[in-house]
This record gives sequence, structure tokens and C-alpha cells, in this order.
Amino acid sequence: SQQGEEDPQALSIQEGENATMNCSYKTSINNLQWYRQNSGRGLVHLILIRSNEREKHSGRLRVTLDTSKKSSSLLITASRAADTASYFCATDNDYKLSFGAGTTVTVRA
Amino acid sequence: EAQVTQNPRYLITVTGKKLTVTCSQNMNHEYMSWYRQDPGLGLRQIYYSMNVEVTDKGDVPEGYKVSRKEKRNFPLILESPSPNQTSLYFCASSLLNRGGEQYFGPGTRLTVT
Repeated sequence: SQQGEEDPQALSIQEGENATMNCSYKTSINNLQWYRQNSGRGLVHLILIRSNEREKHSGRLRVTLDTSKKSSSLLITASRAADTASYFCATDNDYKLSFGAGTTVTVRA
Repeated sequence: EAQVTQNPRYLITVTGKKLTVTCSQNMNHEYMSWYRQDPGLGLRQIYYSMNVEVTDKGDVPEGYKVSRKEKRNFPLILESPSPNQTSLYFCASSLLNRGGEQYFGPGTRLTVT
């Protein structure tokens, strides 16, 4: 079953702006991960946040997790053209990783 | 270089003709998994394996088989492919540390006519 759902489905921003996307899920999780995919290629792991963590940073990425609302957000600051990609959240529950349909981000120069 | 490889990368076949997509990783990962990606549906897990000779069903296992005879290899077998199995397939692997990051292969685009 598809556990995570990203919102919005698509996002278009100007280079230098911030991009925020959200992920909601249905059942309890061990952790939540965010991945990036460039145009039909393999997914690349961005960041993992455990269920007992509320916020995590990695470079220009900031992830929050609210287990009471069963939601997470990914913020990309100071976006670049190279950030153009699809972003997926994935919830981990006992080794079964469930992905959402993704948010497609386009960064305009 | 640490990587997950898949072969073939592209495959066009006909209904009912058995095929195997190979997946191999060189990182000594215990956990391996297969996903299919379809437009608007994201990635859905087909099968996963937590170690040699240990496999389990994901969310969409029907029509697929897997085996894990060696730690590095995790082939996906379609005994009798059908057009609804036309999709983009990804293999992934990770260390068995309860939800560690997964390393993905480059994908196999399969078309069944």
C-alpha cells in the first residue's frame, strides 16, 4: 500500500528561492526518508529522520517530522537549477519501505 | 566504486516469455529489494530480502519471483510477463540496521507487448 503522500504534486520556483514539500502518512513508522530522482534515473538518498527526532539538517536541506500529525516536510533552501528533480518521502516500517507519488520540483534560472 | 547494477537496462518482450532481471551490489549489504515505478503511483515494493535465502513479499508481489542464493545478487524473475508489468524497475540495497538508507540501481525499463 502507498503509505506516504507528498504535497504539492508539482512546484516551480525561481533559482535562489526556497522549496517546501510535505509528506503525510497513515501508520506508525520507524523512520522517514527523503529521496531525490532525476528524470527516470535511480533514486538518491537525501536524509533520514527517526521517529523520535523532530528536525534534522543536512547542508541546504531541513526535514521536520511530526509523528502526532503523521507528517513530514522537506525544505530546500537557496535552490539551484541542479535541484530540479522529483522528491519522494518513504516511510520505513519493519523493513518495508513505502514511497509516495512524489513532488516534481522545477527550478527556473 | 560502491554501486548497485542492473541488467538489462532496457527490455522489450512479448507476453508469456519468461525473463530475468539481474541485480548485483558490491557493498556487502544484507538487505535487497525490488520496486516498480509507474506514473502517478510512485515506487511500490515487489519483494525484499534480509539475507541469503530470506525473502518476503512487498506490496505488489503477484506475477514476480525472486531468489537470494548469494549475498550480492537478487534477481527478479517474471515467469509469464503480461502487459500490466510494463514498468520501470529498480533494485536497491542497504545495511540491515533498521531502515538505513537504500542505494538504488539505475533502473530497468521493461515493455511487455
